[in-house]
Amino acid sequence: DIQMTQSPSTLSASVGDRVTITCRASQSISSWLAWYQQKPGKAPKLLIFDASILESGVPSRFSGSGSQTEFTLTISSLQPDDFATYYCQQYNSYSPWTFGQGTKVEI
Amino acid sequence: EVQLVESGGGLVKPGGSLRLSCAVSGLTFRTYNMHWVRQTPGKGLEWISSISSSSEYTFYADSVKGRFTISRDNAKKSLYLQMNSLRAGDTAVYYCAREGVGGSGFDYWGQGTLVTVSS
Repeated sequence: DIQMTQSPSTLSASVGDRVTITCRASQSISSWLAWYQQKPGKAPKLLIFDASILESGVPSRFSGSGSQTEFTLTISSLQPDDFATYYCQQYNSYSPWTFGQGTKVEI
Repeated sequence: EVQLVESGGGLVKPGGSLRLSCAVSGLTFRTYNMHWVRQTPGKGLEWISSISSSSEYTFYADSVKGRFTISRDNAKKSLYLQMNSLRAGDTAVYYCAREGVGGSGFDYWGQGTLVTVSS
């Protein structure tokens, strides 16, 4: 199975900060990576797919980059609504899909 | 309005069974692969099962293989997860999710249903 490792596990930031989260795959996944945002008690929300394509309706302050084994999610200017937990997910191999362990962005 | 609504969760004893359902409305169902993902309390996300659009292919995580069965009814726009031989470690919130076009992540999710396995 492909393992996904996110860093950091927790990130403390302030409104207006530029925030970067890293996700590393245990083997190459090309660009088959998605990023999700999850708030307490809610389902995950798709932000980015295919490593860098913004899902419809997602603010442009979110961006994704990377390929093969290293990927980043960047929030260019952190907003109050962005305090949440973020997960990466690979979908390179048809089975199984795997998630990173999550990065909590807190004040 | 797009809705994926899970039901069927609850409290069950170890070794017991539950059947989860996911009713889909407001979006196309029959041409998309569907998935079940679970989240243990305070922990991360774990993909557990998927089914192709016409049910020809099913996949399972090792943690549930042989115990869980995924199925769907395209006419009823519903997804199911039959869970047998439940263990304490299966305690989690279970989400259904739609796989996007070309496998581009999971673009729609239900609100989740809690399964608690305890004596």
